[in-house]
Amino acid sequence: AQKVTQAQTEISVVEKEDVTLDCVYETRDTTYYLFWYKQPPSGELVFLIRRNSFDEQNEISGRYSWNFQKSTSSFNFTITASQVVDSAVYFCALMRNSGNTPLVFGKGTRLSVIA
Amino acid sequence: DADVTQTPRNRITKTGKRIMLECSQTKGHDRMYWYRQDPGLGLRLIYYSFDVKDINKGEISDGYSVSRQAQAKFSLSLESAIPNQTALYFCATSTDAYNEQFFGPGTRLTVL
Repeated sequence: AQKVTQAQTEISVVEKEDVTLDCVYETRDTTYYLFWYKQPPSGELVFLIRRNSFDEQNEISGRYSWNFQKSTSSFNFTITASQVVDSAVYFCALMRNSGNTPLVFGKGTRLSVIA
Repeated sequence: DADVTQTPRNRITKTGKRIMLECSQTKGHDRMYWYRQDPGLGLRLIYYSFDVKDINKGEISDGYSVSRQAQAKFSLSLESAIPNQTALYFCATSTDAYNEQFFGPGTRLTVL
């Protein structure tokens, strides 16, 4: 069975602090895809990143970075120098490589960045 | 214009009423999905469709039905709404199994 665990339900940080959102997944597949989505207070879901299980290289996009470690089945997301606009619910998701199975989402982490 | 649209955006209804939520997309994607979001539970899949002739149940399909009228349209129906179906409903599309899903703006449904 596929499962995604985001153990941090809510996180609160002060602006300019760095913050890491944890994502641990379970799958028996050797090939799979991992995703992060952002849901700001306005409610829409915004795609952030997709990572193939064969690509363990960490990725950086501006203040955002992702650390993928197959050995610990984790795909953590770090925001550097957080800003108030980063306040949102962040979802991690997993998809098998079978071609006909949908995304499995974690329950999300609510991040509040305080000015 | 938005690529994935949902109507209505907000709806308040009473227990026992039939409700239809509609989703349209201009992205030309074959795959469409309906999710439900409840506080603290994340997104849970209700139904999904990989093409017009393909409909699949998701994790929580009981009490819901869907219709894929065309590649661009995927409707979700609640035949007899009940209060615990109060939630935020999202439609999504994707090109294939491995790429990101694009979400609509959501429909906030309240069943009294």
